[in-house]
Formats: sequence, C-alpha cells, structure tokens
Amino acid sequence: DAGITQSPRYKITETGRQVTLMCHQTWSHSYMFWYRQDLGHGLRLIYYSAAADITDKGEVPDGYVVSRSKTENFPLTLESATRSQTSVYFCATRGGARIIEAFFGQGTRLTVV
Amino acid sequence: GDSVTQMEGPVTLSEEAFLTINCTYTATGYPSLFWYVQYPGEGLQLLLKATKADDKGSNKGFEATYRKETTSFHLEKGSVQVSDSAVYFCALKGAQKLVFGQGTRLTINP
Repeated sequence: DAGITQSPRYKITETGRQVTLMCHQTWSHSYMFWYRQDLGHGLRLIYYSAAADITDKGEVPDGYVVSRSKTENFPLTLESATRSQTSVYFCATRGGARIIEAFFGQGTRLTVV
Repeated sequence: GDSVTQMEGPVTLSEEAFLTINCTYTATGYPSLFWYVQYPGEGLQLLLKATKADDKGSNKGFEATYRKETTSFHLEKGSVQVSDSAVYFCALKGAQKLVFGQGTRLTINP
C-alpha cells in the first residue's frame, strides 16, 4: 500500500525551464494539497483541490499551475522556474469530512540554478 | 484568517528532560488541532490530534490538551529521548485546509 507517492525525490533544473512535480495517491482521498517548506517560513500552501477538476489557490500560488483530471493525481507545474522556487515540496491528502488529518508524501527537493 | 503561532526554536534538551512546545491559534469557531512531526529527510507524520475543547491527544508519550479559553494546544512530554529529535509542527484544520505553524526544531542530546 503505497499511499502517497511523490516524484521525483530530487530535481535540479535551470532558471526559466518548466518542471512538473508529480503526486499520486492510492486512497481516493477527496482533498489534495501542495505545500512548500522553506527555512523560516514553515509550510506554506501553494494550491489545493477538493475533488477532481476543482482546484483553488493557497497563500503562495504565483508561478505555479496545478491540474486534477483524476482523483488520484495532482501534478504541480512550475511554468518558468526561478531561483526563489528552490524549496522542498510536499504533497498531502485528506479524506474528507470523516478523516480530518492530512497525510504527507516524502517530499521533492527542487533546486533551481 | 486562521493562523497558528508556535514557539520559536531551535530547542535543545538533554535526554530525560521535560519538554514543552507552545502553540496558540487564531480561528473562527473551534477547529480541530494537530501536532505533526518531521524526522530528517522525511515528510510530516501525524503525532496527535484533538477535535474539541478539553480533548487530550496523546501518542508515543507526547500529550497536548485543547484549551479553548487560552486558544492553545501545547505539546508536552515528560522524558524525552534522543530519538525524539525532529521538527514539530502545530496545525489547525480550517474549512478545507490545514494551517501550519512555522515548526520547532528539537534536538535531544544524550
């Protein structure tokens, strides 16, 4: 039972390139989230999704795009990567009304050079 | 909007010391509250939770009590171990999403 899988685990990309971080869940949880973790800022929400084809902005959405055509996948795309987007990215899921806690993936460490 | 404030770290203790990490929140109504732990190189794991006032969450020797009067959810452990070294996050559940504090790095020395 894999739960949440993020890929890749590590990624180095150049400024201006497009890069997509993948998130896949096996639980069919309704909610999915993307957070970034930076020293001094804790976890900040980028985007979230309440169900397939429903997405909404978090507190730091600029420069990112998401989609959710299927319940189990929630990819995060950096359209034109900048050095300020160097961070550790975490995907998380939450089941819905009855499952109130979130479950996190292992993270993707992204470095933009 | 909803927010969580937790004590700044890093916190360094000796093994078997008593631990308190303070957490206070601002929210509409009475949100569910959580403590998550992040070990090096890993994602966040749920440590404990409380869903209503005066609830006490507990797990692995850690405890936290939901205090409505003081809007607090402080994390405590009576005797810490080296294996407790990690980053601890306090969080609340808003209408749809979780809101996290900044995290507190805890180091336990043998």
